[in-house]
Amino acid sequence: EDQVTQSPEALRLQEGESSSLNCSYTVSGLRGLFWYRQDPGKGPEFLFTLYSAGEEKEKERLKATLTKKESFLHITAPKPEDSATYLCAVQGSSNTGKLIFGQGTTLQVKP
Amino acid sequence: DTEVTQTPKHLVMGMTNKKSLKCEQHMGHRAMYWYKQKAKKPPELMFVYSYEKLSINESVPSRFSPECPNSSLLNLHLHALQPEDSALYLCASSQGTGEGPEAFFGQGTRLTVV
Repeated sequence: EDQVTQSPEALRLQEGESSSLNCSYTVSGLRGLFWYRQDPGKGPEFLFTLYSAGEEKEKERLKATLTKKESFLHITAPKPEDSATYLCAVQGSSNTGKLIFGQGTTLQVKP
Repeated sequence: DTEVTQTPKHLVMGMTNKKSLKCEQHMGHRAMYWYKQKAKKPPELMFVYSYEKLSINESVPSRFSPECPNSSLLNLHLHALQPEDSALYLCASSQGTGEGPEAFFGQGTRLTVV
């Protein structure tokens, strides 16, 4: 059964304090691993797609990496506006488009 | 433009009411989705439409009825809902359902059943 586990559940950082969020997954035939950002009461905002181990993507203060078993979202020198819930999702080999989401990591960045 | 538009943003309905949620995308995507999200939980898939045909129904109760009038529009018809159906309903679209294309989400409809 496809499964995604994110850790930590919650993370509090001081502004400028870099850290990483983890997403561990088990999936039969990874089609894609996705990172989303979600603000309270809003829909998830697409950040990155990773397809194969060793792949990396960057956007501003965020960098996503992928291995065969997990993905990391590195946040460098975060700002208060980076506070949100970060969701990791995978799509397996079923070609159905179905996303399996992790429980998310809620990040709070204090000024 | 990676925009998925959902209306209404908020909806309050009684258990005997009939209402509809609407979703529209103009990205030329061929797959559209309905997800349900409860507070502090991840989105859960409800339905998948691929090329305007229903391809997945995740055992959703019949009081939820999806409709895809054309490739840009997706509706969710609601009837005789229960208070536990109160949630954020999210629409998403992607280029297709294979080869891991990213899905883009709308801002959601906050539904409250009273």
